[in-house]
Amino acid sequence: NAGVTQTPKFRVLKTGQSMTLLCAQDMNHEYMYWYRQDPGMGLRLIHYSVGEGTTAKGEVPDGYNVSRLKKQNFLLGLESAAPSQTSVYFCASTATGTGNYEQYFGPGTRLTVT
Amino acid sequence: AQSVTQLDSQVPVFEEAPVELRCNYSSSVSVYLFWYVQYPNQGLQLLLKYLSGSTLVKGINGFEAEFNKSQTSFHLRKPSVHISDTAEYFCAVTNYGGATNKLIFGTGTLLAVQP
Repeated sequence: NAGVTQTPKFRVLKTGQSMTLLCAQDMNHEYMYWYRQDPGMGLRLIHYSVGEGTTAKGEVPDGYNVSRLKKQNFLLGLESAAPSQTSVYFCASTATGTGNYEQYFGPGTRLTVT
Repeated sequence: AQSVTQLDSQVPVFEEAPVELRCNYSSSVSVYLFWYVQYPNQGLQLLLKYLSGSTLVKGINGFEAEFNKSQTSFHLRKPSVHISDTAEYFCAVTNYGGATNKLIFGTGTLLAVQP
């Protein structure tokens, strides 16, 4: 049981390049989230999904797109990277209907845009 | 709209001393409250949560927190810290009965335990 995994762990992009971050969970969770963490700002929600085939915008969605084609995977895309997207990205998932409400986090992806 | 305030960005403390990390929240609806810990270069791990019932909540690693509805606070405490408690601590809230379980995080408090 790996929990939540993220690929890649590190990446350096040049301005204007594109990339996709992959999040995978093996806990059969319905809800999945993408956050970014910046110094002094905590974690901010980018996009989230409440089920396969559904996505919604969070607090800071501009410049990102997401897809949830399979229940276990949640992809975060950057179409044209900007230096302001230099950050650490975390994926999380949570079960529904259990009364637990705990979000389980992946180890993060450190992205630098030059 | 909800918000979470962690007034202390950094809390230095000596080993074996007690510590309190402060968290205040603002919400027009009832909330669930959480404390997460992030060790260096790792993801976040749940320390404890308040969903309902007793306002004093005990978590892992000897931490506890008290929910105070009148003061809209959820401060985290530990009576005696260890070097291994050095980490960043995040307070978070989500709507009671919400449909998405979205979390709103505070800006974090770095607990620096010194020998």
